[in-house]
Amino acid sequence: KAGVTQTPRYLIKTRGQQVTLSCSPISGHRSVSWYQQTPGQGLQFLFEYFSETQRNKGNFPGRFSGRQFSNSRSEMNVSTLELGDSALYLCASSLGQARSYEQYFGPGTRLTVT
Amino acid sequence: AQSVTQLGSHVSVSEGALVLLRCNYSSSVPPYLFWYVQYPNQGLQLLLKYTSAATLVKGINGFEAEFKKSETSFHLTKPSAHMSDAAEYFCAVSGTDKLIFGTGTRLQVFP
Repeated sequence: KAGVTQTPRYLIKTRGQQVTLSCSPISGHRSVSWYQQTPGQGLQFLFEYFSETQRNKGNFPGRFSGRQFSNSRSEMNVSTLELGDSALYLCASSLGQARSYEQYFGPGTRLTVT
Repeated sequence: AQSVTQLGSHVSVSEGALVLLRCNYSSSVPPYLFWYVQYPNQGLQLLLKYTSAATLVKGINGFEAEFKKSETSFHLTKPSAHMSDAAEYFCAVSGTDKLIFGTGTRLQVFP
């Protein structure tokens, strides 16, 4: 079974631009969660989608948004990028709700904002 | 609200020595506890999961963790460290609506 894939793997953007990251979950998984990982803040939960509905959202500004498609693939968007948005963005999929089921992580997208 | 604390952001051991990574959760008993490992430039990988079926949970790569309700702990251990164990380890607890991760412990293994 193919694992979780994330594209692109690396991205360099300029302040003020917007970016879209993509995540393809493991086949059959209906839940997709997104995390931001930085050296200072560690792993921070962004949001979770289940069957195309956002189930939970972390404490991030409205510039961070996401969506999930009918095939469970998910995208997250960050608008008006700030230097502090530089991070590794991880996507994870699970069969059911992320709090109860094993999550399978992708390799992440490394975003650098200059 | 649930919370999780990992004591020690860095742990160093010699190859062959015991590995002990500490994790404490908030006092209300969580339904699920997890340990994940992250190797350089990779995502997280599940090591093991506690689901109340047994207090001693065995995971992959020779790791195990013991759930101790009286101490609100879920420490990760491995009897003999290998160079390939060098990575960052995260403890996680199920909250009411999401998984809550600890701040991580970076394990270094010296030859």
